Amino acid sequence: EPEVTQTPSHQVTQMGQEVILRCVPISNHLYFYWYRQILGQKVEFLVSFYNNEISEKSEIFDDQFSVERPDGSNFTLKIRSTKLEDSAMYFCASSLKAGTSPNEQFFGPGTRLTVL
Amino acid sequence: AQSVTQLGSHVSVSEGALVLLRCNYSSSVPPYLFWYVQYPNQGLQLLLKYTTGATLVKGINGFEAEFKKSETSFHLTKPSAHMSDAAEYFCAVSGGGADGLTFGKGTHLIIQP
Repeated sequence: EPEVTQTPSHQVTQMGQEVILRCVPISNHLYFYWYRQILGQKVEFLVSFYNNEISEKSEIFDDQFSVERPDGSNFTLKIRSTKLEDSAMYFCASSLKAGTSPNEQFFGPGTRLTVL
Repeated sequence: AQSVTQLGSHVSVSEGALVLLRCNYSSSVPPYLFWYVQYPNQGLQLLLKYTTGATLVKGINGFEAEFKKSETSFHLTKPSAHMSDAAEYFCAVSGGGADGLTFGKGTHLIIQP
């Protein structure tokens, strides 16, 4: 069964450093998403991406964040200068199609980011 | 704007007993509603979803949920709990399209032997 994969599973970085979190969505999916979950808090939407551009983003997704689909398979989230409060689990998701009725979003296992 | 409230951060039931996890939502548009389950060290897996049509929806692993518009609720139930049901359960709402999901805080389901 196809699945969303994410690498690395755990990333430790120093405050102020740049990090890139990687995701491989399901191959025929067209919509891609990033979410984060700070420890003990709810899962929060960051951004959705379609046709090589951002479709929607939350207020969390500020100028420190960027997303890219550098090739036909990867989908990345870059945090330019990490802060302590960026420590969280980051989930990637993909769906086949949006439109008037949402399709199921398939989630990856997550990357735990720890900022020291 | 949308929001989701899950009552009870932890719910404990005995094996074989009824499972009831509560979810209330608010949405300015007709909502699409979801329940996801997360097992330790794994991603989120869809249990079931409501988009349109029948308000009682059945999902995987014997779970079902009923959309009640008048109560703005989408509670998750299972008639008989199994030890393997122990996990974190998330209710989520979407307005459709490429909208991101808005999640509740989650409910940790504990199954007592």
